[in-house]
Amino acid sequence: GENVEQHPSTLSVQEGDSAVIKCTYSDSASNYFPWYKQELGKRPQLIIDIRSNVGEKKDQRIAVTLNKTAKHFSLHITETQPEDSAVYFCAASIPSDYKLSFGAGTTVTVRA
Amino acid sequence: DAGVIQSPRHEVTEMGQEVTLRCKPISGHDYLFWYRQTMMRGLELLIYFNNNVPIDDSGMPEDRFSAKMPNASFSTLKIQPSEPRDSAVYFCASTSVPGVTEAFFGQGTRLTVV
Repeated sequence: GENVEQHPSTLSVQEGDSAVIKCTYSDSASNYFPWYKQELGKRPQLIIDIRSNVGEKKDQRIAVTLNKTAKHFSLHITETQPEDSAVYFCAASIPSDYKLSFGAGTTVTVRA
Repeated sequence: DAGVIQSPRHEVTEMGQEVTLRCKPISGHDYLFWYRQTMMRGLELLIYFNNNVPIDDSGMPEDRFSAKMPNASFSTLKIQPSEPRDSAVYFCASTSVPGVTEAFFGQGTRLTVV
């Protein structure tokens, strides 16, 4: 099955700075890559996703990039704010499988 | 729609007891997933259903775990007998088309087995 690795496990940034989280996947057939944000005690919620026919996608302060050749994708958060503090999960999905394989998560702390 | 609804939100039970977790997916979503979240293992997929039929249960850790989906609006995850290592947050999620549409998660059930 698909194996997703995520780095770093924790990330502390100053408010206003950028945060970058990187993930790699193992199966070149994967074609769907969502990112979920989970606040403390809450459910994971989708914040952005990208498909394999696109190299980059942006939504206000968040962006995701995908490098299919290297099999890695990244989440970029610019102008971080305290409300960005949460655990972020990357995931990958193989078309024939329907399962989302999640990374281990990155705990992001934005310092005021 | 109120989203994916799980019950109970919290469950504390004694080792050896049977535990039943419940999930109501979003209406119209044909796929339902059960996940377990722990600090050590992160988010693990236990089982998923398509049109009420279990498709992949390879993530179910042991025979003590079982899941059913008797109709399109209800699913259960049962642990019998429960053990302390089953303590975790269990999430249910549903979606229309995996890999195309968003998977929506329920609020989760925090299970503590003492």
